Amino acid sequence: GNSVTQMEGPVTLSEEAFLTINCTYTATGYPSLFWYVQYPGEGLQLLLKATKADDKGSNKGFEATYRKETTSFHLEKGSVQVSDSAVYFCALSESYSSASKIIFGSGTRLSIRP
Amino acid sequence: EAQVTQNPRYLITVTGKKLTVTCSQNMNHEYMSWYRQDPGLGLRQIYYSMNVEVTDKGDVPEGYKVSRKEKRNFPLILESPSPNQTSLYFCASSTLQGRGSYNEQFFGPGTRLTVL
Repeated sequence: GNSVTQMEGPVTLSEEAFLTINCTYTATGYPSLFWYVQYPGEGLQLLLKATKADDKGSNKGFEATYRKETTSFHLEKGSVQVSDSAVYFCALSESYSSASKIIFGSGTRLSIRP
Repeated sequence: EAQVTQNPRYLITVTGKKLTVTCSQNMNHEYMSWYRQDPGLGLRQIYYSMNVEVTDKGDVPEGYKVSRKEKRNFPLILESPSPNQTSLYFCASSTLQGRGSYNEQFFGPGTRLTVL
């Protein structure tokens, strides 16, 4: 079946460091790919998405490119801030129906030191 | 303000005592879903609903029930809770646009349940 694998955390970086969180997937067909972010004590929020190969999703300085050849969707940010501390989930959508089922990765906790 | 609300936010209960976690959305969304979040496992779908009176099982439905009598509400019912249902639960909702379309899911703040 379809699945999402992302790097285990926690990831701890200093402010202004470069961030990469790896995400790979297995899927039949052509899924859409997403990054969700969960801030402390809150629910998940959509951070960015890409719906087809070579698409780049971007938001709040974060970027991820849908790489079909490597089945990857790595999250990157050039200069992280303390406010980026959160748990990040990679996810894919099996869009074979009008109610797309989302499969989440296990999450990566990111902590940014001032 | 568009939002998904859940109640209670925190609950400690004992094995076998029936409980209900409520979920309500004010965005007129057709689709609603329940997830549980456990360390190292990410989010797993429990049940979902595509409209009033239409519900279906997700990946981990055992021990749970749901109902969708009104469009805005989607309560999660644990008839006889057990310690392995201790978890963080999220409700989510979205629109339905059509086959092959992805519709962003909006999440509630979560309910932390402990079953002793």
